[in-house]
Amino acid sequence: KNEVEQSPQNLTAQEGEFITINCSYSVGISALHWLQQHPGGGIVSLFMLSSGKKKHGRLIATINIQEKHSSLHITASHPRDSAVYICAVPPSFGNEKLTFGTGTRLTIIP
Amino acid sequence: DAGVIQSPRHEVTEMGQEVTLRCKPISGHDYLFWYRQTMMRGLELLIYFNNNVPIDDSGMPEDRFSAKMPNASFSTLKIQPSEPRDSAVYFCASSPGRGADQPQHFGDGTRLSIL
Repeated sequence: KNEVEQSPQNLTAQEGEFITINCSYSVGISALHWLQQHPGGGIVSLFMLSSGKKKHGRLIATINIQEKHSSLHITASHPRDSAVYICAVPPSFGNEKLTFGTGTRLTIIP
Repeated sequence: DAGVIQSPRHEVTEMGQEVTLRCKPISGHDYLFWYRQTMMRGLELLIYFNNNVPIDDSGMPEDRFSAKMPNASFSTLKIQPSEPRDSAVYFCASSPGRGADQPQHFGDGTRLSIL
């Protein structure tokens, strides 16, 4: 079983601040997923990455396969970024199932 | 594309009743996943299908839970009989290829309350 740990559990920041959310896992994987869950409950897939870095707008995701660690960064944070961010990994390389982290609740204050 | 469609959005029923949750995946997606989310346990995979065939149901909590996918455009998750501890948000998701290497598209979820 792949153990997934996220930090911090809760994060409150002022609008405009640079945000970093971390995810560590215990077993080598083929890809890691970052998800966003809105206050209304809907879940959106933000990134799926297996190496290096991906960028989408103000969001950047990085992964270090050797260290089994990924980070999600948000530049110029905005109140609409307030959500729960969840990382998810398969239990082993090539497995389709996902194990989810407990999530990071981000609140951006105007 | 309409995205993954789940119904109903909310369900409130009494303990002991049968509950059926429905999901229509995105057309062309080969994988379909059923998840349950609770405050205590977060998101958990219940079962997933590939090309309508159940691949792994090890997350299904008990025999009271069953899932079917009779065709590529429809899946159901059934709880019979329902219990208060089944109260949760149930999500369906689909992906176009091998789940671990493809992004998953989630439905809006069904919020289930068992009284």
